[in-house]
Amino acid sequence: GIQVEQSPPDLILQEGANSTLRCNFSDSVNNLQWFHQNPWGQLINLFYIPSGTKQNGRLSATTVATERYSLLYISSSQTTDSGVYFCAGGAGGGADGLTFGKGTHLIIQP
Amino acid sequence: KAGVTQTPRYLIKTRGQQVTLSCSPISGHRSVSWYQQTPGQGLQFLFEYFSETQRNKGNFPGRFSGRQFSNSRSEMNVSTLELGDSALYLCASSAGTGYGYTFGSGTRLTVV
Repeated sequence: GIQVEQSPPDLILQEGANSTLRCNFSDSVNNLQWFHQNPWGQLINLFYIPSGTKQNGRLSATTVATERYSLLYISSSQTTDSGVYFCAGGAGGGADGLTFGKGTHLIIQP
Repeated sequence: KAGVTQTPRYLIKTRGQQVTLSCSPISGHRSVSWYQQTPGQGLQFLFEYFSETQRNKGNFPGRFSGRQFSNSRSEMNVSTLELGDSALYLCASSAGTGYGYTFGSGTRLTVV
């Protein structure tokens, strides 16, 4: 099956800092997504980004499908950005389910 | 519009019992998938349903089963519970191929 590797596993930053999270896939995926899990366990979909670049406020993501990686950028971090960030993808159109990485645990200190 | 609703939020069961979890997807979404999250194994795919048909299943024993109804609501059942089944069970709905997943708040199952 597909392997998903996320880096870094942990990241501690001061409020206002910028960060880049990376996700590498062992094989091609066509429904790559980024999620943020808050301390209560809720998974929030940040981006559906099988290829290209998208931006939403202080967050943006870029996927280079041909090289099987994706990047999530967080600018001007706020304490509410803390949590675990997951990338996930699957080979099929949805029937195969998503394979998740182990996540990046982000802590933003005031 | 309403999000993905999972019930119950918390559940405590005894080893050997069975449990049924419920998921109501976003209105209009016909794809529902289930995931198990544990500290050791992370997030793992259980199964996916589309229009009442199970299209795929993850690497879990037969004790884990599910179904989807004509209104797209889905249930998953775990029989003969084991301590290792303690986990956060998450349900996601999607409008279909080419769309992102929206997750519910999850059901936290504790097996004692």
